[in-house]
Formats: sequence, structure tokens, C-alpha cells
Amino acid sequence: GESVGLHLPTLSVQEGDNSIINCAYSNSASDYFIWYKQESGKGPQFIIDIRSNMDKRQGQRVTVLLNKTVKHLSLQIAATQPGDSAVYFCAENLANQAGTALIFGKGTTLSVSS
Amino acid sequence: NAGVTQTPKFHILKTGQSMTLQCAQDMNHGYMSWYRQDPGMGLRLIYYSAAAGTTDKEVPNGYNVSRLNTEDFPLRLVSAAPSQTSVYLCASSAPLVLVSSYNEQFFGPGTRLTVL
Repeated sequence: GESVGLHLPTLSVQEGDNSIINCAYSNSASDYFIWYKQESGKGPQFIIDIRSNMDKRQGQRVTVLLNKTVKHLSLQIAATQPGDSAVYFCAENLANQAGTALIFGKGTTLSVSS
Repeated sequence: NAGVTQTPKFHILKTGQSMTLQCAQDMNHGYMSWYRQDPGMGLRLIYYSAAAGTTDKEVPNGYNVSRLNTEDFPLRLVSAAPSQTSVYLCASSAPLVLVSSYNEQFFGPGTRLTVL
């Protein structure tokens, strides 16, 4: 079964707000965690990843936080824009799987209203 | 580069029929994978292949794959069942060079398959 899940299936925010999408995982053997964004009718697109030996990683307008103590992963989107509306998936990469077999969470649908 | 391409985009099958979903990538990636995506279920791995000539299955029964070359990774539904109604996503990634690294998976747009 799946070991990665998201706390909320949907999240609605106003344009300009900061968004936080959460994810819980259960497999301590995972060495990478990845966030994907999927727009309607398209395949998932890589947003940002983080290695298990890191607590935080920043990208452009996005920050991923990893709390290994409670096995929690979050994606923060600053100044959310309507173009950020999509389904967001967290995924874990098991060690020794060489990035070829990801375990995905169920996804959170982010809706941004202007 | 076209990236990862999948055909067809949509298809309807009758129970018991067979069909092959096509996936191709032009990035010379060694690893290719098939996932199915169902509402509220996220993405579930069906098969992956580490290189041409090799495959490893995650979910038995009802699916078959071949990896005759680097570029193509077709997924065959042998005898379609309504439970196989889903969106099928193909992904590829470069072979792992460094043990400590992770290689991004690139996804195709998906094939939406309905089995009646």
C-alpha cells in the first residue's frame, strides 16, 4: 500500500496568500522526497526535491520542509498565483531504487482565486 | 526534444479486448516507468524498466510490457477489465550515476483509458 499521504485533499487560497501543502510519510528508508505539480490534462511536473539529510530547501517561490522526527513533508508556495492552481503530489523515493520507482501520495488540489 | 510522448490520448475498450499503450522518450533515459492514476488514489506504479532488455513488475496480472530499445516502453493490456479504467502515465529518468543523487522523472501527458 501507499506510505505517502497528504493531510488535505483540497486547499483554497486567495491570490497573493502563502500556501502550505502537507504530506506525511511512513517509510524511514526513503532517501528523497519530491513534490510534483499536475495541471489538468497533463502529466506531473517536478517542482522541488529534498534529500533525507536536509531539513529545508528553497526554490523559486517554493520551499520544502522535511521533518524526519514526525515523518512530515510540506510544500510552501509564496505569493500564490492563479497559475499555481493544480494538484500537488508528494512522492518518496526508496533508497536503492535509483529514482525509478516513486511512491506517490494521493494529492492535494490547490485552488487559487483572484 | 519532445520529451515523453504517449499515444493515444483517449481510448475506449470493451471488456476482454486487448490494447497496447505507447510510450516513447527521446532523452536517452535508461529508466522508464508506467503508473496508473485514479481519482483520490494518487499515482500507482505498475511496471518499471531499468534499461533496454529489462523489466520489473510491481503489479502482476492484466498488464505486460516490453523494452526492446531505449526509447520505447509499451504497456499492453492483455484482456481488458473495467478495473483497468484509469489514466496511464509513462515516465522516464536518466540512469543513476551517483549513489547519493536523484534523477528527476519526466512524465508524459497520459492516456485516459475506459474499459466498458
